[in-house]
Amino acid sequence: GEDVEQSLFLSVREGDSSVINCTYTDSSSTYLYWYKQEPGAGLQLLTYIFSNMDMKQDQRLTVLLNKKDKHLSLRIADTQTGDSAIYFCAETRTGGFKTIFGAGTRLFVKA
Amino acid sequence: DAGVTQSPTHLIKTRGQHVTLRCSPISGHKSVSWYQQVLGQGPQFIFQYYEKEERGRGNFPDRFSARQFPNYSSELNVNALLLGDSALYLCASSLDDDEQYFGPGTRLTVT
Repeated sequence: GEDVEQSLFLSVREGDSSVINCTYTDSSSTYLYWYKQEPGAGLQLLTYIFSNMDMKQDQRLTVLLNKKDKHLSLRIADTQTGDSAIYFCAETRTGGFKTIFGAGTRLFVKA
Repeated sequence: DAGVTQSPTHLIKTRGQHVTLRCSPISGHKSVSWYQQVLGQGPQFIFQYYEKEERGRGNFPDRFSARQFPNYSSELNVNALLLGDSALYLCASSLDDDEQYFGPGTRLTVT
């Protein structure tokens, strides 16, 4: 199959770290992405990682890739109320023309 | 620099009608992709165009068609609209086979 799977909900307290997990199925994926979507808005590219990397850090965001287990995670340090949104994991296969998205994880940040 | 722009923002159509959605990519980007996002789900790939040629197509019926113009802008056309076509239609542009940047989307409601 070509599913990208994510848990549907995550709730954290302001200031804590959030970890959003994703599993994908295609070992030929070249790029793996994290997008953020706020209510009524389009998708904002947060970060991406090449499939030959294990980790990428960008300010409060850390992406970890376990290629053996086809597992991708996004860690948000010092989570703020403005981080409340839906986070989508996505993969682009070799050939690059099709990006497969997960159903999204809704992050709730409690003040 | 302007990001990806889409028009119109919102649209209401009746079953059986036809609709045309428009997208202007980021300046210099030659690839445009279209996605359908039904409420509560992740985006589903419809088409990708690169240098005015269709590069890939998702699992959508022939009622969906698209084209890319010499200036790299793109149109998505949907004929014989069904209630189930109600969704947020997202356009994304990229330079090549790399990260995609999404527009704000066109919200289509079919009544």
